[in-house]
Amino acid sequence: SQKIEQNSEALNIQEGKTATLTCNYTNYSPAYLQWYRQDPGRGPVFLLLIRENEKEKRKERLKVTFDTTLKQSLFHITASQPADSATYLCALTDSGGYQKVTFGIGTKLQVIP
Amino acid sequence: NAGVTQTPKFQVLKTGQSMTLQCAQDMNHEYMSWYRQDPGMGLRLIHYSVGAGITDQGEVPNGYNVSRSTTEDFPLRLLSAAPSQTSVYFCASSRDGVETDTQYFGPGTRLTVL
Repeated sequence: SQKIEQNSEALNIQEGKTATLTCNYTNYSPAYLQWYRQDPGRGPVFLLLIRENEKEKRKERLKVTFDTTLKQSLFHITASQPADSATYLCALTDSGGYQKVTFGIGTKLQVIP
Repeated sequence: NAGVTQTPKFQVLKTGQSMTLQCAQDMNHEYMSWYRQDPGMGLRLIHYSVGAGITDQGEVPNGYNVSRSTTEDFPLRLLSAAPSQTSVYFCASSRDGVETDTQYFGPGTRLTVL
């Protein structure tokens, strides 16, 4: 069965540095990959979507890469700030719509002032 | 716009009790869904709806019922609560349910079944 792996341990990073989060997957050939942010006690918030034929996507301080050969996505936050502290979820799907989306467990990011 | 709203925010039930989790959206979205989020597991889809009057099962539908009588509302019913249903429940909506639409989540309901 398809499986998504995100580092379940928290990632601690100094303010101003670039945070890099990893999403690996197996037994899957997703057409789309999404990243969400989730704050404690809140619902996930959509950040970025990248398609299988796109290598990289950027939005302000965020950058996502998608390597279908390595079966991996990297999520980067440049010039990280304490306000970026949250849990980040990746989600994968083929072209079957949201009813086919598989979510990872998320990685907790802590940006230290 | 209020976006996606959920009530209640917290709920404690005893085994065997029933209840309805409410979800509403004011964005005129056709697609709505219910997820549960448990420690160490990703969000899992319970039920979804692609429009008023149309619902279908997701990955973990057992023990839950849904209906969609209006575009705005998508309640989730627990008929006979079990401790295994202790979880955080999220309702979400998107315009058409295609993965290139943005999916909006509600704030969640934290349910404890004793």
